[in-house]
Parts: sequence; structure tokens; C-alpha cells
Amino acid sequence: DQQVKQNSPSLSVQEGRISILNCDYTNSMFDYFLWYKKYPAEGPTFLISISSIKDKNEDGRFTVFLNKSAKHLSLHIVPSQPGDSAVYFCAASGQGGGTYKYIFGTGTRLKVLA
Amino acid sequence: NAGVMQNPRHLVRRRGQEARLRCSPMKGHSHVYWYRQLPEEGLKFMVYLQKENIIDESGMPKERFSAEFPKEGPSILRIQQVVRGDSAAYFCASSSLPGENEQFFGPGTRLTVL
Repeated sequence: DQQVKQNSPSLSVQEGRISILNCDYTNSMFDYFLWYKKYPAEGPTFLISISSIKDKNEDGRFTVFLNKSAKHLSLHIVPSQPGDSAVYFCAASGQGGGTYKYIFGTGTRLKVLA
Repeated sequence: NAGVMQNPRHLVRRRGQEARLRCSPMKGHSHVYWYRQLPEEGLKFMVYLQKENIIDESGMPKERFSAEFPKEGPSILRIQQVVRGDSAAYFCASSSLPGENEQFFGPGTRLTVL
């Protein structure tokens, strides 16, 4: 039962263009969402988060959009840089399961082409 | 300001042996979480501990796995009588507060069971 889904296992984008990574969830109890970036042989690094009371959160080149009615969130990276090449994980938590219990998607491997 | 430390980074065990994975949280963090990542999958929550207390172990397999976070020293994830299916990357995370505070991850321990 995959409650957080990242349906695109990989994405290639040209340097300087926008990268859009998508994430869908099924549990309406989720109320906090996060994006992590992971390089090979390293642990996930926190990127950006959003609470369900918002529909957008921006931090530099990274913006997360939340569409609660569609149970969908997306991460926009503008402009994309070669150093952004990594695996990106979407995660969700909520009161129903304990706010500390992050449910992760399977990840999207982003490759930014120079 | 050291981040989350995990050791060993790589651990090889034969079937039936015990594996001990250690995690030192970030300074000032008293909440520790363990996650497991199987190949081609996302991270899966295993257990949440505070000092000397297991708060939620709902993600732990019922047998052979145990975790502790003693008053002094690192958190330990212990796997007894390892089997090949235990081969995975085990990540520890810590936070200053549970709930809506991002968890900071360590680099992981890659366990290989021969």
C-alpha cells in the first residue's frame, strides 16, 4: 500500500531550464510534506517543506506547490543546475500516523544536463 | 557542528550473525528515528526513540530487530540472526522536536548479508 507515490523514476532536464518533480498521496490525514535530495552513498538532505494550510512555499530556486483537492504536490527547481542531479524523495506525515513518521515515495532521479 | 553520525558505513555479515548499527544524533537533538531503504524503494520508517524510551516501533519487524537509545551513548539498531533479506541501507535521523520539524539524516549504514 504505497501512500506516497512518485510515478516518474527519472527525469532529464537541460541546465538553466525548469525541473518539475511530482508526488501524489492517498492519505487525506497527511498534513505536512517535505522534499529531500539524496546523492549516492549519502543520507537524504532536507530541501523544503510545506504545511497543508499553505499551497505554496518558496526557498531560493526551490518552490513546492500543494494541491490538497488533487492530493498532489510538486517541486519546481528554477533554474536547474548540474549540481541538482540527485534522487529526490517526497515525504509526508500527518496526525493520523504520528507527525514524526515520514512516509517516503520511491524517489525520482533527476539528471541536469550541462 | 557535526551532523548525524552513523557507523559503520558499511557492514558485511554472514547469515545467522548479528548486526549492530550505531547512530549519534545531532548535538541538541533528543529524538532519533531509524529508516530502512531496500533497493529501488523509498525509505521506510522503522522506529522512533527518545532517550531511554521507545516511542513508536510500529515499523520494526516483529522478530530479530531491536533498538535502543540509552541515556549515554549512541542509539543502536540491532539485528539478530541476519538473513539475506536484511541487506539494505539503514538510515538514522534526528530532530530537536517531533512533529513538524524536519528530520536530519545520517549517511546511512549499508548492510550486506552474505
